[in-house]
Amino acid sequence: DTGVSQDPRHKITKRGQNVTFRCDPISEHNRLYWYRQTLGQGPEFLTYFQNEAQLEKSRLLSDRFSAERPKGSFSTLEIQRTEQGDSAMYLCASSLGQTGNTIYFGEGSWLTVV
Amino acid sequence: GENVEQHPSTLSVQEGDSAVIKCTYSDSASNYFPWYKQELGKRPQLIIDIRSNVGEKKDQRIAVTLNKTAKHFSLHITETQPEDSAVYFCAAPTGSSASKIIFGSGTRLSIRP
Repeated sequence: DTGVSQDPRHKITKRGQNVTFRCDPISEHNRLYWYRQTLGQGPEFLTYFQNEAQLEKSRLLSDRFSAERPKGSFSTLEIQRTEQGDSAMYLCASSLGQTGNTIYFGEGSWLTVV
Repeated sequence: GENVEQHPSTLSVQEGDSAVIKCTYSDSASNYFPWYKQELGKRPQLIIDIRSNVGEKKDQRIAVTLNKTAKHFSLHITETQPEDSAVYFCAAPTGSSASKIIFGSGTRLSIRP
């Protein structure tokens, strides 16, 4: 499968713990996006990368969230000191080149904070 | 500010009838407008998109129209079928380089048999 892959698909963690999600984009795609989606809502933009550069980060994103894409290929999203409000699906997407190219989503990583 | 508003939030139509979902955007620099379909428990998938240099695009039973002056675009599904039941999201690029893609809040479409 050459689509966007995410790992883990499901994560249950205790409040206060740190979690990390990984995303492997489609191989030739230089743009990578992270979104958060809660039930009944649209994907909420978190951040995006052009190659290894993080070009934009949502103002809504607290400093507990950090994302990296060290070599311009896979990306990680880390949430420190998780809170119950962090429970959501974290979607990764990738696209090729300029705006107007389709963004393709991964299956998402479900996070439940208990 | 950057915003995409989508209406209605839920829509129920009789099988075979048409469904229309509307979105408005705030960033006048937006030039690309995709629509995604998300089935329960699955990833959003692109169903159709339109660029700002055209006013309408059709793909079989699905069409999208764009009014750049009014900053709104619409999804039209004709001859609806049970498999059209899903949540639909519109999206538009915004931000300093128009590369940040933001989504509407979604429309849950139900097709009544």
